[in-house]
Amino acid sequence: KAGVTQTPRYLIKTRGQQVTLSCSPISGHRSVSWYQQTPGQGLQFLFEYFSETQRNKGNFPGRFSGRQFSNSRSEMNVSTLELGDSALYLCASSTGATSNTGELFFGEGSRLTVL
Amino acid sequence: GQSLEQPSEVTAVEGAIVQINCTYQTSGFYGLSWYQQHDGGAPTFLSYNALDGLEETGRFSSFLSRSDSYGYLLLQELQMKDSASYFCAVRDVRSGGYNKLIFGAGTRLAVHP
Repeated sequence: KAGVTQTPRYLIKTRGQQVTLSCSPISGHRSVSWYQQTPGQGLQFLFEYFSETQRNKGNFPGRFSGRQFSNSRSEMNVSTLELGDSALYLCASSTGATSNTGELFFGEGSRLTVL
Repeated sequence: GQSLEQPSEVTAVEGAIVQINCTYQTSGFYGLSWYQQHDGGAPTFLSYNALDGLEETGRFSSFLSRSDSYGYLLLQELQMKDSASYFCAVRDVRSGGYNKLIFGAGTRLAVHP
């Protein structure tokens, strides 16, 4: 059973550009959530999608957006990049509408560097 | 708001036992999870406690005391491969976010020979 796949794994952008990150969840998983990980702030929740609908959103500016497709694959987009957006962006999938154990399956992340 | 506190670093030797504590403040509680993350790797789920007491999974155990808003992860018979960061996390259910986790800042465990 394939795990969570994130692409690209590494990317470098300059300030003002935009970036799109992709996540393919584990087959059968309908919930996809995104987290930003930085040394200073740890793992911060960005948003969660379930059945193509955004169910929750974290405290990030509107420059951060996402969507989920009918096959559960998800993308997140960051526009007008800032230096502070440099981080590891992690995607996590889970089985259903509610996760009794709180178990999320994480991908290895997309490491974004903004110059 | 919701917050979790855990030590930033712990050091131990191979074969020893180490305990990583986590205290939390939440407006509603739906269980405490633990994740392991090796450098450059993905966080992986270790355990989940919804009720008070000890849950054992091999060399790893996790404990929860809801009255004390406290939990810990216990790692026994430490191996070099256990060197990693360990995160405790709670679910933010206030907004119906069963899959929205609030993470602690992480504890970096270094295991030495």
